[in-house]
Amino acid sequence: GNSVTQMEGPVTLSEEAFLTINCTYTATGYPSLFWYVQYPGEGLQLLLKATKADDKGSNKGFEATYRKETTSFHLEKGSVQVSDSAVYFCALSTSDDKIIFGKGTRLHILP
Amino acid sequence: NAGVTQTPKFQVLKTGQSMTLQCAQDMNHEYMSWYRQDPGMGLRLIHYSVGAGITDQGEVPNGYNVSRSTTEDFPLRLLSAAPSQTSVYFCASRPPGERVQYFGAGTRLSVL
Repeated sequence: GNSVTQMEGPVTLSEEAFLTINCTYTATGYPSLFWYVQYPGEGLQLLLKATKADDKGSNKGFEATYRKETTSFHLEKGSVQVSDSAVYFCALSTSDDKIIFGKGTRLHILP
Repeated sequence: NAGVTQTPKFQVLKTGQSMTLQCAQDMNHEYMSWYRQDPGMGLRLIHYSVGAGITDQGEVPNGYNVSRSTTEDFPLRLLSAAPSQTSVYFCASRPPGERVQYFGAGTRLSVL
């Protein structure tokens, strides 16, 4: 079946460090891939997306590349800020319109 | 821009009580859904609707009812609350042909 696996947290980094949050998926067909972010006390909001292989989604300094050969969509940022502290969810959307979320990765950035 | 509005933000119930979580969106989205978020479990789909008058079950529908009489509103009903329903509930919507979902701010529910 379809599934999303992302690295367990929490992840704790110092400000200006490099961030990678791993995400791999299992899906039939050609899913769309997403990263959502949830700030404390809020709902999820879209961070970036990619709809086909080799697409790179980017927003607010975050990037993720849709890698079909490794079924991955890892989230990266070159220099994190305290304001990036949040929970990050990897998700996929299948051709039958089902949306599947990973379990989320909590990120703490220390000043 | 109201987007997706959920009420209440917090609620405490006693076991066996019933209540309705409200969700409204002003974006004319056909697709709406309810999720629950539990620690270590991510988001799990409870019920969803592809348009007014049409609803279907998601991954964890037991103990919850929904209806969709208008495009704007998609209430979630707990008929007899149980401690296992203590969770944070999110409503989401999306336009046709688009896979990005728009989430409300959530309702934090505690069942004692």
